[in-house]
Amino acid sequence: DPKIIQKPKYLVAVTGSEKILICEQYLGHNAMYWYRQSAKKPLEFMFSYSYQKLMDNQTASSRFQPQSSKKNHLDLQITALKPDDSATYFCASSQNPQGANSDYTFGSGTRLLVI
Amino acid sequence: GDSVTQTEGQVTVSESKSLIINCTYSATSIGYPNLFWYVRYPGEGLQLLLKVITAGQKGSSRGFEATYNKEATSFHLQKASVQESDSAVYYCALFSSGGNYKPTFGKGTSLVVHP
Repeated sequence: DPKIIQKPKYLVAVTGSEKILICEQYLGHNAMYWYRQSAKKPLEFMFSYSYQKLMDNQTASSRFQPQSSKKNHLDLQITALKPDDSATYFCASSQNPQGANSDYTFGSGTRLLVI
Repeated sequence: GDSVTQTEGQVTVSESKSLIINCTYSATSIGYPNLFWYVRYPGEGLQLLLKVITAGQKGSSRGFEATYNKEATSFHLQKASVQESDSAVYYCALFSSGGNYKPTFGKGTSLVVHP
C-alpha cells in the first residue's frame, strides 16, 4: 500500500482556474513538504510544514497556498493557474523536520497541465 | 546557494553493460554535506537508493554504488551490470550540514536499459 497518497495523478486545468492537489501520508511523520518539478529543471522545494505549522515557504507567488486540516494532510491550493504552473508536484514527508533525513518519503506526484 | 549537477537527459544502456551517472555538487554551508541518490520508477514516488554522510566513504544498494569524493565534489553513481528493471529516473541530492531539512536535487537522469 502506498505510504503517501497524492490525488489526482493527472490534472488538466484551464488558465485562470483554481485547483487543489491532495496529499495524505500514513507514516506517522511530523513534517510534510511540497516540491515541484517543471520540464528540464531540478526538483524544487516549495513548502514545509511541521506539526501543521508552516516552517518554510520558498514559493514567491501567493497563488500557491498549502492547507493542513490534519497532521497527516497537506493539500496544495493553486489559484489563477498559468501555463507556467504546468509541472509534476510531489508531496513528501519525514519523521523529523530538522536534520538530514534518510526517511524522507515522496509520493508519486500529481502531473498538472495548464492549457 | 547549494547546487547539484548531474548527467542530463536520457542515458541508454544495453542490459548487462556498465553504467555511470555523473553527479557534482556545490555546497555553501560550513562542513561537508550529506549526499544521496534517489530513484523514481514509472508511476511511483522517489525512493532513497543510497546515501553517504562521510566524505571518502562509499554507499551501495541493489548493485549500485557511489563514492563521496570531497576533493572532486563528486558523487557519481555506478553499476557494473544493469538490468532492464533498472530503467528509471535517478536523482542526485545533497543535504547541507547544519540541520538543513531541505535537500537540493539535480534535474534527474532518465536511464533506459535495452534488453
